[in-house]
Amino acid sequence: ETGVTQTPRHLVMGMTNKKSLKCEQHLGHNAMYWYKQSAKKPLELMFVYSLEERVENNSVPSRFSPECPNSSHLFLHLHTLQPEDSALYLCASSQFYTSGGPREQYFGPGTRLTVT
Amino acid sequence: DAKTTQPNSMESNEEEPVHLPCNHSTISGTDYIHWYRQLPSQGPEYVIHGLTSNVNNRMASLAIAEDRKSSTLILHRATLRDAAVYYCILANTGNQFYFGTGTSLTVIP
Repeated sequence: ETGVTQTPRHLVMGMTNKKSLKCEQHLGHNAMYWYKQSAKKPLELMFVYSLEERVENNSVPSRFSPECPNSSHLFLHLHTLQPEDSALYLCASSQFYTSGGPREQYFGPGTRLTVT
Repeated sequence: DAKTTQPNSMESNEEEPVHLPCNHSTISGTDYIHWYRQLPSQGPEYVIHGLTSNVNNRMASLAIAEDRKSSTLILHRATLRDAAVYYCILANTGNQFYFGTGTSLTVIP
């Protein structure tokens, strides 16, 4: 495996279900991100993990719960979602340095989530 | 949050240069300008980034205005594989990336 992988690629869940999205990066990076991409809206940054610590949570509802057990893996735990949460969820990784500015991010293919 | 504005769509003929503009009038001194593109059914792909000086790489060139309130992504010879949505993004030193709505580029054979 190379790059950033995400599983599953497609997910349909009911509003009372609990599911998890998984992201794995094989690039040796130390920062990982979750984004939400809804139709006709810009990509929204949801969570940022740098050196396995959450450094950003952009007012995301608590029904989305991230987990970063190590620098290569990132999860997004989902529970009691709403239909408006249906979207493409993208994971990305990058190498974070304390100087020199933000480096390029590498994105996975995304998980297409449908909440019924 | 810092924001960018781009035209919704642009067209280019194949093998001609393309200039994709972006305005970011609220940019702060420490924001970097990143460009990504997204093909259908794929995640975004990094194209280029810069801070103040113009930048070149194998994919494109980035021209940054002297006041940094605008920038232009230049594809030197558009190919059909360059048809995508191009995003101009401001990224701060805290690793927060703010995407705009992007420009959908159509390349005409």
